[in-house]
Amino acid sequence: DQQVKQNSPSLSVQEGRISILNCDYTNSMFDYFLWYKKYPAEGPTFLISISSIKDKNEDGRFTVFLNKSAKHLSLHIVPSQPGDSAVYFCAASRGSGNTGKLIFGQGTTLQVKP
Amino acid sequence: EAGVAQSPRYKIIEKRQSVAFWCNPISGHATLYWYQQILGQGPKLLIQFQNNGVVDDSQLPKDRFSAERLKGVDSTLKIQPAKLEDSAVYLCASRPAGGELFFGEGSRLTVL
Repeated sequence: DQQVKQNSPSLSVQEGRISILNCDYTNSMFDYFLWYKKYPAEGPTFLISISSIKDKNEDGRFTVFLNKSAKHLSLHIVPSQPGDSAVYFCAASRGSGNTGKLIFGQGTTLQVKP
Repeated sequence: EAGVAQSPRYKIIEKRQSVAFWCNPISGHATLYWYQQILGQGPKLLIQFQNNGVVDDSQLPKDRFSAERLKGVDSTLKIQPAKLEDSAVYLCASRPAGGELFFGEGSRLTVL
């Protein structure tokens, strides 16, 4: 039962362009969503989050959009940089904001070409 | 600030052998997690501790996996006996009150 899905295993974009990573979820009880970034041989690091009371959260080049009716969230990176090349995981939790159990998607590998 | 420390980084064992992983969380973080990440999948929670008490171990295969955090600081995850499907990266994470998860670099287990 995959409650959080990232249907694109990989994405390749040119430096300077926009990267859009997508994530779908099935559990309407999820109320907090996060994106993590992972470089090879390192643990995931927190990137950005959004509560279900919002539909957008922005932090520098990173923006997360939440569409609750579609149970869909996306991460936009503008402009993309070669250092953004990594695996991106979306995650969701319910009932306790960011303190709840996190359910992760399978990850999307982003490659930003110079 | 020191990050979440894990050891060993890599371990290769034969099936049916045992293995133990160690985690030292960031100082002051009361909540500690062990995740299993199988290749091509996202991390899956195995067990969550709040201080030295277990909050959630619903996805821990208790017939072969065990974990403890006796003094509410560092933690050990053990697998005995190991199966081929246990090959994965075992990630430890800790979290301050009201904050986000900080992950360690992980311990990569290969079961032959």
